[in-house]
Amino acid sequence: GAVVSQHPSRVICKSGTSVKIECRSLDFQATTMFWYRQFPKQSLMLMATSNEGSKATYEQGVEKDKFLINHASLTLSTLTVTSAHPEDSSFYICSARTGGRRQYFGPGTRLTVT
Amino acid sequence: KQEVTQIPAALSVPEGENLVLNCSFTDSAIYNLQWFRQDPGKGLTSLLLIQSSQREQTSGRLNASLDKSSGRSTLYIAASQPGDSATYLCAVPLGETSGSRLTFGEGTQLTVNP
Repeated sequence: GAVVSQHPSRVICKSGTSVKIECRSLDFQATTMFWYRQFPKQSLMLMATSNEGSKATYEQGVEKDKFLINHASLTLSTLTVTSAHPEDSSFYICSARTGGRRQYFGPGTRLTVT
Repeated sequence: KQEVTQIPAALSVPEGENLVLNCSFTDSAIYNLQWFRQDPGKGLTSLLLIQSSQREQTSGRLNASLDKSSGRSTLYIAASQPGDSATYLCAVPLGETSGSRLTFGEGTQLTVNP
C-alpha cells in the first residue's frame, strides 16, 4: 500500500512554455503533499507544502507565481512550471502524507527545458 | 536552521563487505530520522525510520542507529551486495511531526563491486 505516482515521468518542453506535473496517491487519501526539486548530484530541496483545499506554502526563495501548485482533491496535487526556462530543468519529486506521519514518495519527473 | 550532512559523499566497496554510512544534523531536537535509498533517475524508497525515543532500527541487513544528543545517525549495511549500489539519503523533519517538511542530506553514493 501507500503508492504515489507521478505523471509524466519525463517531459521535454520549449523555453517559455508551461508544463504540468501530476502527483497522485493511489491507495490512500493524502491530506498533505510536498514538492521537492533535485538538481544533478545534489540532494532534494523542498519547494512547497500543499494541503488539500488550501493554498500551498512555499519555501523561501521559491517563486509561487512560477511554480503553481494545486491540491484540489485528497488524491491529486499538480505542479505547473510556468514560462519554463532551461534553469528549471530538474528532477521533481512529490511526496504524500496520510493522517499518519510517514511520507511516501513518488518516482519523480525529469523536466528538460530546451 | 537545521542542516544535515552526510559522510562520505561516495563510497566504493567490494561485495561482501560491511559498511557504515554517516549522517549528522545540527539541531538535535528532531522528532525522528529517516534513511532513504535512491536509484539513479528514480524516486525515494524509505528504508528505516527511527523515532527520537529509539536508539536503533533494523531491517534485514540494514541497521540504523540514532544518537540525538550528538546529532548523529549511522546506517550499517551488512554483507553488501551489488544490488545495494545506490545513493543513500538521510532526512529529518523540519517540524515536530514526522509528516512535516523534510530536510535531506546530500547523500552517499554507494557502489558495491562484484
